[in-house]
Parts: sequence; structure tokens; C-alpha cells
Amino acid sequence: GAVVSQHPSWVICKSGTSVKIECRSLDFQATTMFWYRQFPKQSLMLMATSNEGSKATYEQGVEKDKFLINHASLTLSTLTVTSAHPEDSSFYICSARDWALRDTQYFGPGTRLTVL
Amino acid sequence: GENVEQHPSTLSVQEGDSAVIKCTYSDSASNYFPWYKQELGKRPQLIIDIRSNVGEKKDQRIAVTLNKTAKHFSLHITETQPEDSAVYFCAASGGTNAGKSTFGDGTTLTVKP
Repeated sequence: GAVVSQHPSWVICKSGTSVKIECRSLDFQATTMFWYRQFPKQSLMLMATSNEGSKATYEQGVEKDKFLINHASLTLSTLTVTSAHPEDSSFYICSARDWALRDTQYFGPGTRLTVL
Repeated sequence: GENVEQHPSTLSVQEGDSAVIKCTYSDSASNYFPWYKQELGKRPQLIIDIRSNVGEKKDQRIAVTLNKTAKHFSLHITETQPEDSAVYFCAASGGTNAGKSTFGDGTTLTVKP
């Protein structure tokens, strides 16, 4: 149990385009999902906390108009990188928290974004 | 907010030896401390966790200890194997930033056969 999927696993796009990444909890309900960004050989940097049915809470320094987050159901959250630029290239990972297991987070497989 | 420091940043051991990774945290209200293993290009996988009402937890070759007074917790891996080679992250949550996890910078463990 506790499987989180993420789609796509990798994407290459041109500068100025928008990219949507989906995060799904497959076998549990996730009232809260988190979006992280990870640079090579670095730790996970929390970008935002997404709660089902409400606006996401963004970490300091993360542009909410650039990284649009929607959490429309208990099993799906999306991250849209708008007007992507090469500096947005990174590994984006979502995690979902199973409300029944309190703090435990389960991670998606990540999405490798490359902006040309 | 919470600050988590993790040491060492790299650790190399011989197969069969033990490995210990240590983390300290700053928010005394934090009450949940998971450890994740991340292989290159893959997702972090939860390997063990501990809550603040417990001092030690063990799962086969892996154990975690927690010292609430000193605000530090450690991961212990015994009888290491080459497949234990990965990056290990500690995290802390449940404090003033309830629900959010603050991660350490990671430890790259290499187990030499």
C-alpha cells in the first residue's frame, strides 16, 4: 500500500512554455500533498504544501504565480510550471501524507524537467 | 522554524561494518523523525521512523535512536551490504511547522565490497 505516482517522469520543453506535473495517491486518501524541488546532490527543498480543497501554502522565496498548485481531490495534486525558463530545470518530487498514518509521507518517483 | 543538521555528509564503510548517521534538530516541539533512503534518480523511500515518545526503534539491520533532551537522533545500520549504498536523509516534523518536514542535507553512504 501507500503508493504515490507522478506523471510525467521526465519532460523537455522550450523556454516560455508551461508544464503540468501530476501527483496521485493510488491507494489512500491524501488530504495533504507536498511539492519539493531537488538539485543534483542536494537535499529536498520544500516548495509548497497542498491541502485538498484549499489554496496551497508556499514557502518563502517560491513564486506562487510561477508554480501553480491545484489539489482538487483527495488523490490528485498538480504543479504547473508557468513560462518555464532554463533555471527551472530540476527534479520535482511530490509526496502525499496518509491522514490515517499521521505524519508519514510517501514520495512520488519524481519528474525530471529540462527547459531548453 | 525547524533546522536539521546531518553528519557526516559522506560515509564510506567496508561491507559488514556498521554505519552511523547523526542528525540534530532545533525545534523542541518536533515529534516525528523519519529516515529516507534515496538511490540515484529515484524517489526517497521511508526506511524507518521514530516518534518522540520512543527512545529507540529497530527493524532488522536498521535502528534509530532519539535523544529528546539533546535534540538529536541517529540512524544505525549494522552488517552493511553494497546495496545499502545510497543517500540517506533524516527529517523532523510535527513542531511549530506542524505537518511539514524539514530535511537534513543528506549523507552519501558507500559500502565497499
